[in-house]
Amino acid sequence: DVKVTQSSRYLVKRTGEKVFLECVQDMDHENMFWYRQDPGLGLRLIYFSYDVKMKEKGDIPEGYSVSREKKERFSLILESASTNQTSMYLCASTTGGGAGNEQYFGPGTRLTVT
Amino acid sequence: EDKVVQSPLSLVVHEGDTVTLNCSYEVTNFRSLLWYKQEKKAPTFLFMLTSSGIEKKSGRLSSILDKKELSSILNITATQTGDSAIYLCAVFSGGSNYKLTFGKGTLLTVNP
Repeated sequence: DVKVTQSSRYLVKRTGEKVFLECVQDMDHENMFWYRQDPGLGLRLIYFSYDVKMKEKGDIPEGYSVSREKKERFSLILESASTNQTSMYLCASTTGGGAGNEQYFGPGTRLTVT
Repeated sequence: EDKVVQSPLSLVVHEGDTVTLNCSYEVTNFRSLLWYKQEKKAPTFLFMLTSSGIEKKSGRLSSILDKKELSSILNITATQTGDSAIYLCAVFSGGSNYKLTFGKGTLLTVNP
């Protein structure tokens, strides 16, 4: 079974703090994604990566950065957390190319910024 | 800008009813359409559709894609309370760098 794990299920941070959210997948998937999910707005893509050291902006990259130094690990970084970044963050991975494939999601990290 | 629109946004039915959820899309370089079910946790995969007119079926759930109409439907027959969830539609699109765009979801509530 594909497993996507995220470093924390719940996280509380203060405004201005630097926040790292880590995601690890164990199926050698090329592609990894970071989403945030908010009531009434659905899932929105922040960044994705289709290869090590490669990254692409999604729909809402402002205030975020990412790092993919190893194939299995994709990190989301909030350089200076703000209250409007309070959200559920979901990581996903999938095999590469073609007609698109099933995305496997991690359990999510509920981040609260106070 | 790629767009995926789901309707209705919410739906309340009684056990045993049949429901149809809709998803329409406007994207560049369509590749596939995916349906997910989300309860109080991360989304779980239901179907992936790439070809028009071919129904995918899993138990009481089925889905079909209409590339001419740029839409898909998800049917659930003989609904049960366990079907209560948010149903998400997503479209895979793009050229060399592809992306997945989600709709806002349909909240289905099945009452006993």
